Amino acid sequence: EADIYQTPRYLVIGTGKKITLECSQTMGHDKMYWYQQDPGMELHLIHYSYGVNSTEKGDLSSESTVSRIRTEHFPLTLESARPSHTSQYLCASRRQGIEGNTIYFGEGSWLTVV
Amino acid sequence: AQRVTQPEKLLSVFKGAPVELKCNYSYSGSPELFWYVQYSRQRLQLLLRHISRESIKGFTADLNKGETSFHLKKPFAQEEDSAMYYCALTTSFGNEKLTFGTGTRLTIIP
Repeated sequence: EADIYQTPRYLVIGTGKKITLECSQTMGHDKMYWYQQDPGMELHLIHYSYGVNSTEKGDLSSESTVSRIRTEHFPLTLESARPSHTSQYLCASRRQGIEGNTIYFGEGSWLTVV
Repeated sequence: AQRVTQPEKLLSVFKGAPVELKCNYSYSGSPELFWYVQYSRQRLQLLLRHISRESIKGFTADLNKGETSFHLKKPFAQEEDSAMYYCALTTSFGNEKLTFGTGTRLTIIP
C-alpha cells in the first residue's frame, strides 16, 4: 500500500547517544521533508530534499543531518542527542501533478532524550 | 521569502455556530495554499487545497489574492471538528518549500 512510514514511533535515549530516525515512502516521490514539532505547536522545516543526492537545510537550524541515497529513503541522524532535541519529528513527501501538489505526512517519531 | 500567518492560536465555537479560521500569507509569486488538520493522536492530514476548489467535511476556503488570505470556513460546527488546523503554502517553482502557519486549535463546545 502506498504510504509514508516512520520508525521508531517512540524512542527514549540517553544524552550523547547517536540516533537515526527512519523515513520511507512507497509512492516514488522525489521531494521529501523533515519537520520538527513540539506538542500542539507549529511545524518547523529542518531539512528537505529534491531527489537522490540532494539535501538542503530548512528554516529552523538543526544539529541533525540527513541523507538521500535512494528515492524512497530519507533518514535523519543526530550524532549526539541532547535533551533540547526532545520533540516530535515528522517526515513528509510530495506528489506533483497537473492537479497541483499534495504533501503526505508520516505518523511521526516522538523522541525523548534524558 | 514565503510566510504564513494564523493570528488565532485558540478558537472556541459552540456546536452549530459558524466557524472561520483565519490565514494570511506573503509570497511574491503564485502560491499554492492548503489547510491541514491534526486530530488528537492522528497524523497530519490534508483537509483542503485551493487549487481543487472543493468542500471537505463541510469546510471551504477561498483564495483571495487581493487580501492575500485563505480563510477556512464552515457554516455549522460539529463536535468532531475539534482539532489543530494548520494553513500551509508551497510553490511550484523556486525552492518549493512547504511552509506552515503556527496553527489554530479549534474547540467545539457542545
